[in-house]
Amino acid sequence: EPEVTQTPSHQVTQMGQEVILRCVPISNHLYFYWYRQILGQKVEFLVSFYNNEISEKSEIFDDQFSVERPDGSNFTLKIRSTKLEDSAMYFCASTVGNQETQYFGPGTRLLVL
Amino acid sequence: QKEVEQNSGPLSVPEGAIASLNCTYSDRGSQSFFWYRQYSGKSPELIMSIYSNGDKEDGRFTAQLNKASQYVSLLIRDSQPSDSATYLCAVNSFFSGGYNKLIFGAGTRLAVHP
Repeated sequence: EPEVTQTPSHQVTQMGQEVILRCVPISNHLYFYWYRQILGQKVEFLVSFYNNEISEKSEIFDDQFSVERPDGSNFTLKIRSTKLEDSAMYFCASTVGNQETQYFGPGTRLLVL
Repeated sequence: QKEVEQNSGPLSVPEGAIASLNCTYSDRGSQSFFWYRQYSGKSPELIMSIYSNGDKEDGRFTAQLNKASQYVSLLIRDSQPSDSATYLCAVNSFFSGGYNKLIFGAGTRLAVHP
């Protein structure tokens, strides 16, 4: 069964460093998302992406964040200058249709020191 | 602010019993409703989706939706220790352009004891 994959599974970085989190959505899916979950808190929406552009972003997704689909398979989230409060699990999700089920990848645990 | 509310639990049930999980949501425009299961340190895993009022059954799981009351529930029959996890209720929320995102509740922690 097709799955969303994410790399790396864990990332430790120093405050102020740039990180890139990578995702490979399910191949026939058209809508892509990033969510994050701070330890012990809710899963929060960050950004959605469709037709090679951002369709919506939350207030969390400020100028330090960017997303890209550099080729036909990868979907990346970049944090330009990480802060301590960026420490969280970051989940990529994809769906074939706008209202359909979103399938989540295994997540990247980001720790900013 | 669109919200999804769940009791945090823990909900403790004996093995073989029925576990009942509840969720309310604030956005009357929501049309798609999902239950995800999340084990500690793992990603959300889809259990059920429901789109219309009434019940939807899939194996040991039954989702119930009442749009008038803005209420979604999940019943787990014959609960097993492996069902012990946090259950997340998620509701779609539309924004401009007709796109949607998921709004999650904080989750209900279920503990099934032998």
